[in-house]
Amino acid sequence: EAQVTQNPRYLITVTGKKLTVTCSQNMNHEYMSWYRQDPGLGLRQIYYSMNVEVTDKGDVPEGYKVSRKEKRNFPLILESPSPNQTSLYFCASSLSGRVYEQYFGPGTRLTVT
Amino acid sequence: GENVEQHPSTLSVQEGDSAVIKCTYSDSASNYFPWYKQELGKGPQLIIDIRSNVGEKKDQRIAVTLNKTAKHFSLHITETQPEDSAVYFCAASTPSGTYKYIFGTGTRLKVLA
Repeated sequence: EAQVTQNPRYLITVTGKKLTVTCSQNMNHEYMSWYRQDPGLGLRQIYYSMNVEVTDKGDVPEGYKVSRKEKRNFPLILESPSPNQTSLYFCASSLSGRVYEQYFGPGTRLTVT
Repeated sequence: GENVEQHPSTLSVQEGDSAVIKCTYSDSASNYFPWYKQELGKGPQLIIDIRSNVGEKKDQRIAVTLNKTAKHFSLHITETQPEDSAVYFCAASTPSGTYKYIFGTGTRLKVLA
């Protein structure tokens, strides 16, 4: 089944404790992206990747890191999480960055205390 | 920077009535405009999209219209059903240069039986 998977689905952590949210797709998509969803703010793009070893900042990249060492994986790294990073995170992928449908993962709800 | 405004934030309609959601974008270079539906506890899913060389597109009960001059695009749902109840997001993409996706803030549609 074609899908985007994220792990973990739920995470409660403390300020400053490094964490990684994994994202994997099995559709051989070139483009992958991370979003955060907050009430009243919609979906905001954090980082995106056009292909392996090619990443770029979205609208809200501060406090986040990403890497794209393999085509299928695009982990989101929070080196020192803070409470304002409490949010619902979505990973998405598409065939390419050029006007193709994005497929979203099921989301990761992160709480930083 | 680029911006997408979406209205209304909430919309309640009677079953069988039509629903219209409107978006305005700021980047005149945007040329791909998808609409996503997000059901409770799930990631957004594409329901229809339109490209800037097309003024209108229909898919059964759903249609999208685009006015490039005014930088407006709208989602029209006819003969609404309870299963249409969800949060809907518009987005604009600029598939050259930045390859960013900018989402609207979302519309919570409630179809009353």
